[in-house]
Amino acid sequence: EVLLLESGGGLVQPGGSLRLSCAASGFAFWNYPMAWVRQAPGKGLEWVSTMSAQTRKTHYADSVKGRFTISRDDSEDTLFLQMNNLGDEDTAIYFCAKVGQMILGYFDSWGQGTLVTVSS
Amino acid sequence: SVLTQSPGTLSLSPGERATLSCRASQSINNNLLAWYQQKPGQAPRLLIYAASSRATGISDRFSGSGSGTDFILTITRLEPEDFAVYYCQQYGAPPTFGQGTKVEIK
Repeated sequence: EVLLLESGGGLVQPGGSLRLSCAASGFAFWNYPMAWVRQAPGKGLEWVSTMSAQTRKTHYADSVKGRFTISRDDSEDTLFLQMNNLGDEDTAIYFCAKVGQMILGYFDSWGQGTLVTVSS
Repeated sequence: SVLTQSPGTLSLSPGERATLSCRASQSINNNLLAWYQQKPGQAPRLLIYAASSRATGISDRFSGSGSGTDFILTITRLEPEDFAVYYCQQYGAPPTFGQGTKVEIK
């Protein structure tokens, strides 16, 4: 069974930083692209970033490019999202997701999410 | 590609059929379109990928169809657990989601 467990969310001031983690189990983590998707309170889903397997190629939504960095540690089956210069618009639940079939593919498994609140 | 879902809310009774629409502003190559279900307080769950392929473990009451710019998710014989919000998503390019359709109990 695929399990994804996010951590690292919390309250941060505008302009601050936060690092999210996603611990994966139940599948060959090293072999799959992984992604972050977020959902602002009461709103829809927004893709944030994806990292491929092996080549470590990264993709970002325009809204986070230059501020967020995705990375992974295949030895620990863990995905990360480093978030800098956070603004109110970044307040959301951040979901870790396993990507199916292609690097910018659909998301076939999701974690339960971690809440990031940006507020002074 | 911008995805527009309609209707915003669908009010139906258990046992009825639900038809949800997802329209893309540009043609989606190779039908790279997925559908998700999300219940309150839960993560989304993949239902359909490649426009019409059911994900593992998904009931055959859920079916996807369409191509190009117009896609449909059909839920036959609504069960109580089907009342939720449904999102379409295009992939193969930077992924984008529709704004969602809420299926509520009438």
